[in-house]
Amino acid sequence: EVQLLESGGGLGQPGGSLRLSCAASGFNLMTYAMSWVRQAPGKGLEWVSTISGTGGSTFYTDSVKGRFTISRDNYINTVYLQTDRLGAEDTAMYYCARLVATNNGYYYMDVWGKGITVTVSS
Amino acid sequence: EIVMTQSPATLSVSPGERVTLSCRASQSVSSNLAWYQQKPGQAPRLLIYGASTRATGIPGRISGSGSGTEFTLTISNLQSEDFAVYFCQQYNTWPSFAFGQGTKLEI
Repeated sequence: EVQLLESGGGLGQPGGSLRLSCAASGFNLMTYAMSWVRQAPGKGLEWVSTISGTGGSTFYTDSVKGRFTISRDNYINTVYLQTDRLGAEDTAMYYCARLVATNNGYYYMDVWGKGITVTVSS
Repeated sequence: EIVMTQSPATLSVSPGERVTLSCRASQSVSSNLAWYQQKPGQAPRLLIYGASTRATGIPGRISGSGSGTEFTLTISNLQSEDFAVYFCQQYNTWPSFAFGQGTKLEI
């Protein structure tokens, strides 16, 4: 069964850091690009970051550029999101999602994890 | 930046009914649109991609249509398991994505 399991969330201090992990099972992670998406309390979904299958290309939404870093270790089937300089606006449920390609070169999210909560508060 | 707008925010319906959810893009996204279902405490589930293609295991009573800027998700013969939040997502601007705010389907 294809599954994604997030971990590493919890309470983070303002200005502090948390490292989120997304463990993949049931498929070869190396062949898929992956994304992180977050949902603040009472808000809609917001794309955060994307990483290519090899890890050679990374992309971020403007609000996290320079603060968050996405990475992956295909040997242990895990994708990471290092979150630094956390602010209250980063409080959210964080989901990882697998990207699958269409015939015309676009990618959509076909499998999601259940998410992990990040709360930024002193 | 493409903004996705879903309407209505909440829809009250009864089992057995047919419902249509709307999603509008601020500029054309071609057919690069997906629909997801989200239930409390569960992972979002892919329903439709390519605006109208059902994902694996999605029943035929769930269908999507539209292209460009106007999209709809139709669910016929509503079942108890259909009461959830539905959101649309455009992936025309991959590797970035934009989501609608969601429509909550309630009994």
